[in-house]
Amino acid sequence: GQNIDQPTEMTATEGAIVQINCTYQTSGFNGLFWYQQHAGEAPTFLSYNVLDGLEEKGRFSSFLSRSKGYSYLLLKELQMKDSASYLCAVRDSNYQLIWGAGTKLIIKP
Amino acid sequence: DAMVIQNPRYQVTQFGKPVTLSCSQTLNHNVMYWYQQKSSQAPKLLFHYYDKDFNNEADTPDNFQSRRPNTSFCFLDIRSPGLGDAAMYLCATSSGGTSGANVLTFGAGSRLTVL
Repeated sequence: GQNIDQPTEMTATEGAIVQINCTYQTSGFNGLFWYQQHAGEAPTFLSYNVLDGLEEKGRFSSFLSRSKGYSYLLLKELQMKDSASYLCAVRDSNYQLIWGAGTKLIIKP
Repeated sequence: DAMVIQNPRYQVTQFGKPVTLSCSQTLNHNVMYWYQQKSSQAPKLLFHYYDKDFNNEADTPDNFQSRRPNTSFCFLDIRSPGLGDAAMYLCATSSGGTSGANVLTFGAGSRLTVL
C-alpha cells in the first residue's frame, strides 16, 4: 500500500529552527508537496520538489531525496504565526495525491 | 482576487437530513476536488471532476454525491448524514496538467456538524 509518515507533533521555540521530516512509499513518484494548515482552515501551498535537492523560499526550505523516499521542511526564524499543521503529500504514478496526516507544530515564546 | 469559495462555512444538520455544500472558483481550472478531513487526519479524496468527467474514489460511500453544472461550480450532496460524516469538507481546484507542479488551491472549507 501507499504510505506517508510524518511525526504527529513537534514543539519549537520562537526564533529557532525546526525540521519536519516526511518519508514515503508510493507507487511511482511525480512530485512532493508541503502544505501549511492553520487550525480550522484550508491547506495552503508551501513548496514543491520533483528533483533531488533543496528548494529555498524565504524562511522555508524543502529538501527531497527520491532514492531514500525522504523529504524535510525546514522552517527558520520561527514566528508564533508558524504554529500550524504541516502536511506532506506525494503525487504517485497515476497523478493521485497521497497525503500524510500532518505534523502539528507548536511554537512557544 | 481569483479564488475558491465554499458555502456555507459552517453547517449544522440533523442525523439523516440531507445537506448540500457548494464550491465556486474563478481560476477557470479544469479539475475540481472534494476532500473530507477529520481532526488530525489526512484529507481523504471523495471524488473529482476533470471538466465534466466524474471520478469517484472506490471507497467513497454512496451517501455522497456530486454535481458540476458548469466549470465554475461544484456541489457535494450528502443524502443521509450520519454522525461519522461530521468533518471539514474541502473543495480544491487545479489546472489538471501532468507537467509542472499543478498545485491544488483550496477553499476555506465547510465544517459539518451532525446532531
